[in-house]
Amino acid sequence: QKEVEQNSGPLSVPEGAIASLNCTYSDRGSQSFFWYRQYSGKSPELIMSIYSNGDKEDGRFTAQLNKASQYVSLLIRDSQPSDSATYLCAVNGGYGSNNNDMRFGAGTRLTVKP
Amino acid sequence: DARVTQTPRHKVTEMGQEVTMRCQPILGHNTVFWYRQTMMQGLELLAYFRNRAPLDDSGMPKDRFSAEMPDATLATLKIQPSEPRDSAVYFCASSTNDRRPLSSGNTIYFGEGSWLTVV
Repeated sequence: QKEVEQNSGPLSVPEGAIASLNCTYSDRGSQSFFWYRQYSGKSPELIMSIYSNGDKEDGRFTAQLNKASQYVSLLIRDSQPSDSATYLCAVNGGYGSNNNDMRFGAGTRLTVKP
Repeated sequence: DARVTQTPRHKVTEMGQEVTMRCQPILGHNTVFWYRQTMMQGLELLAYFRNRAPLDDSGMPKDRFSAEMPDATLATLKIQPSEPRDSAVYFCASSTNDRRPLSSGNTIYFGEGSWLTVV
């Protein structure tokens, strides 16, 4: 079992819809959770971070964390074609970790159709 | 504009040749990561350093890969001999270190990557 799992997609949504991206992780002691966006041919860039159970909103993005279920999600409201990219879930910290490593999921490819 | 700098950006080499990739972390960052990204495996952590000391290289094939930090402004990843299965994008990333879990305030920042093709 991989440490961080994501559905690889592709996920296709129409413009203006809500895109929902999901991620599960295996290390119950994980402490920090991140969503990165990666455009084709580019490097990953941070878009959201979350540390506590519940929701965290930033503009059109909402991250959701449920530590009991070891589940993180990212909602993108009013999806735009410019949101088309691969979204990487990343997890930091945990049992046996010295808190500086970051483990990534394989990413979910999102396409927003005009 | 602070950023992680990687060279070369693209490299095509023949199987068996040595490949060296270089990374200059963001000034003041003392934790450096090497990741490899492929379609099949996604982003894999190969190794990382704190204050130039290797902390974890368990993700790196030891027989052909080596990672070093000769000084605080330079990290290197070497493959010798290279094989076609090493073809991937190799990302260097850096962050500040204070032993707490990473946060948005001290998350990792990626370089633009070195695109390696071994034929």
